[in-house]
Amino acid sequence: GEDVEQSLFLSVREGDSSVINCTYTDSSSTYLYWYKQEPGAGLQLLTYIFSNMDMKQDQRLTVLLNKKDKHLSLRIADTQTGDSAIYFCAVMDTGRRALTFGSGTRLQVQP
Amino acid sequence: DVKVTQSSRYLVKRTGEKVFLECVQDMDHENMFWYRQDPGLGLRLIYFSYDVKMKEKGDIPEGYSVSREKKERFSLILESASTNQTSMYLCASRLQGGVSPLHFGNGTRLTVT
Repeated sequence: GEDVEQSLFLSVREGDSSVINCTYTDSSSTYLYWYKQEPGAGLQLLTYIFSNMDMKQDQRLTVLLNKKDKHLSLRIADTQTGDSAIYFCAVMDTGRRALTFGSGTRLQVQP
Repeated sequence: DVKVTQSSRYLVKRTGEKVFLECVQDMDHENMFWYRQDPGLGLRLIYFSYDVKMKEKGDIPEGYSVSREKKERFSLILESASTNQTSMYLCASRLQGGVSPLHFGNGTRLTVT
């Protein structure tokens, strides 16, 4: 089945850019998502990208997709303390129509 | 706004008990999912359902079963709870097809002692 990998932890200073990386194994994946989880809450959809796109920008968020390397990244510009959370990469398993998630990257923003 | 409601925020149960986790969504979504979340492992899919009365095993179905008698409700059942089922359980729903994202409940933190 699909395997999705992320690093577990990232620390940045307030105002810097954050880049969270993700790799996946199934080249037929059609939709790729980024979710955010704040303490004590469920997951909230941040953004998504179709596999026929290379890049998507949405305000402070930029998603880059390298299909050849099966690499997805999320860039957060001007990172704020309110961006501190766990960020999950998720890939649509087109066979099951279910999402496979990475382990999550905990982003810590230092004031 | 889509609302996915999980009936309990925290549960403490004893080993061997039968445990029911309930999830209700209010947007007429066809697909519903149960995941468990453990530190360092991310979310792992337990069971999902494409529609009423339908169910499919996910990646870690052992020790669990599900029920979907009505479209809005998807129940996760632990037949005989064990300590390794202590976890955060997340329910999600989505519209059938395409890019429709998953909408998540706030989770149920289950402790089995």
